[in-house]
Amino acid sequence: AQTVTQSQPEMSVQEAETVTLSCTYDTSESDYYLFWYKQPPSRQMILVIRQEAYKQQNATENRFSVNFQKAAKSFSLKISDSQLGDAAMYFCAYRSPRCICSGATNKLIFGTGTLLAVQP
Amino acid sequence: KAGVTQTPRYLIKTRGQQVTLSCSPISGHRSVSWYQQTPGQGLQFLFEYFSETQRNKGNFPGRFSGRQFSNSRSEMNVSTLELGDSALYLCASSRPPLDWGYTFGSGTRLTVV
Repeated sequence: AQTVTQSQPEMSVQEAETVTLSCTYDTSESDYYLFWYKQPPSRQMILVIRQEAYKQQNATENRFSVNFQKAAKSFSLKISDSQLGDAAMYFCAYRSPRCICSGATNKLIFGTGTLLAVQP
Repeated sequence: KAGVTQTPRYLIKTRGQQVTLSCSPISGHRSVSWYQQTPGQGLQFLFEYFSETQRNKGNFPGRFSGRQFSNSRSEMNVSTLELGDSALYLCASSRPPLDWGYTFGSGTRLTVV
């Protein structure tokens, strides 16, 4: 069974600085998706960034980027120029497979989350 | 473009009662999934529906059930509520195979007393 591990329960960063959140996962599959979700106090899960396992290039979305190391099964999130609005719980999630074939387990497997505080 | 809408936002029920939660996905999204979020267990998968068919179910007792209608709206039902069912219930929709990203609603906070 696939598992997702986030080893940093809490992180803190100064406004305008850069922070990296860690995520590792375990799977025997070769084709899958990885996601980072943000959950602010409003509790809605917001998709921050996604990575397809078959793509070697690391995904980037504005100030957010990932370091995807498939062989090491590592998927870290880097937040540059941190802003007060980035303060939230961040979840790493795994999904496989890519098909919607019958019997496929198309569910998201989440890590335990990292609570990010941004200091002014 | 409207997002995923979950109703109600808050709910207080008594142990032993049953409850129905509703989720309206983004227009065009045919896949709807439900997750339970608690401080102790984190985010756990409940079930997934695609085109009115339950495709997957998580490791939850039979008291948890759901369905999806022809317009892709989904409901989940919990019967004989227990104190441990108190949680945030999140619904997410997606549009496979065109888009594998899930869009979540704001959730329903269920409190069982």
